[in-house]
Amino acid sequence: EVQLLESGGGLVQPGGSLRLSCVASGFTFSSYVMSWVRQAPGKGLEWVSSIHTGGVNTYYADSVKGRFTISRDNSKNTLYLQMNSLRAEDTAEYYCAKTGDNVVLYYMDVWGKGTTVTVSS
Amino acid sequence: EIVMTQSPDSLAVSLGERATINCKSSQSVLYSSSNKNFLGWYQQKAGQPPKLLIYWASTRESGVPERFSGSGSGTDFTLTISSLQAEDVAVYYCQQYYTTPLTFGGGTKVEIK
Repeated sequence: EVQLLESGGGLVQPGGSLRLSCVASGFTFSSYVMSWVRQAPGKGLEWVSSIHTGGVNTYYADSVKGRFTISRDNSKNTLYLQMNSLRAEDTAEYYCAKTGDNVVLYYMDVWGKGTTVTVSS
Repeated sequence: EIVMTQSPDSLAVSLGERATINCKSSQSVLYSSSNKNFLGWYQQKAGQPPKLLIYWASTRESGVPERFSGSGSGTDFTLTISSLQAEDVAVYYCQQYYTTPLTFGGGTKVEIK
């Protein structure tokens, strides 16, 4: 069964840092683009970042560019999101999502259950 | 950035009746060389992650009931639930994957009348 399991969320003060992880199973992780999508409380979905299979090519929403870093370890089937300089507006549920191919411009066919990030003093 | 606009924000439909959700993109998401619309639909039930329903604007994901269908091309798209079931209560989102930033519509909440 294809699964994505996020972890690493929590409560952090404004200006702080957090690293999210997403462990994949049930598919060849290294063959697919992976993404992070977030959802603020009571709001809609917002794409955050995507990373190509080899980990070199990365893409970010303007709202997180320069503060967040996406990476992956294909040997561990794990996707990461390093979040620095966190702001209150980064408070959200963060979902890890698998893209249906090895290109960024593709639909997201598998989603994890999410991990909650709360930025507050 | 391609802006995705959904309508209505919410709708209440009787069980067994048709539900129609519209999605409009600020520019075409039809890739001419492949003749594919880079448009997907997702369903999100309360407390759950999104689930892919439709991709390439009209292709149903494996396991998705036939009552869900997608149509449209270019900038105007529709998700139709032909006969609403109780388990279809959810928020539905359209998303374009034609270009980055990938963008979603604001969502349409579907309830039972």
